[in-house]
Amino acid sequence: DQQVKQNSPSLSVQEGRISILNCDYTNSMFDYFLWYKKYPAEGPTFLISISSIKDKNEDGRFTVFLNKSAKHLSLHIVPSQPGDSAVYFCAATQGGKLIFGQGTELSVKP
Amino acid sequence: NAGVMQNPRHLVRRRGQEARLRCSPMKGHSHVYWYRQLPEEGLKFMVYLQKENIIDESGMPKERFSAEFPKEGPSILRIQQVVRGDSAAYFCASSPTEGTGEQFFGPGTRLTVL
Repeated sequence: DQQVKQNSPSLSVQEGRISILNCDYTNSMFDYFLWYKKYPAEGPTFLISISSIKDKNEDGRFTVFLNKSAKHLSLHIVPSQPGDSAVYFCAATQGGKLIFGQGTELSVKP
Repeated sequence: NAGVMQNPRHLVRRRGQEARLRCSPMKGHSHVYWYRQLPEEGLKFMVYLQKENIIDESGMPKERFSAEFPKEGPSILRIQQVVRGDSAAYFCASSPTEGTGEQFFGPGTRLTVL
């Protein structure tokens, strides 16, 4: 039972444009949602999070939007840079543990 | 401030052997979590520990897997009698509290079972 889903395995974007990564969830009891970035052979690195009581959080080039009625969140990266190329995981908290989506591989082309 | 340390980074075992994976959390962090990433999949929660206590082991396979976080020393994930299906990347994370969900991950241990 996949409680957190990322339906796009990959995304390709031109440098300087906006990258939009999407995530859907099924459990309305999740407290926080987070985005992690992962390079091959490394551990995930925390990017940005949002509380379930908010609908937007911004940090530099990264903005996360939460739509609770649709059980959907998205990560916007503006402008996209080649160094952003990585696998992005969304995650939700449940009693301390993180429930991860399957990941979306972002490729930003120069 | 050193990050989360995991060792070994790579571990090769033959079927039936034991695997021991170690994790030292960030300084000041008393919450430790273990996750497993199978090939072509996302990270799956295994176990959540605080010093000397297992808080949540709902993601641990019922047999052959165990975890501990003693008062002194690193957290250990132990896999007995490994099988080929145990081949995966095992990540440890730590946090200072349980609250906001932000966890800091180590580089992972890549276990290969021959």
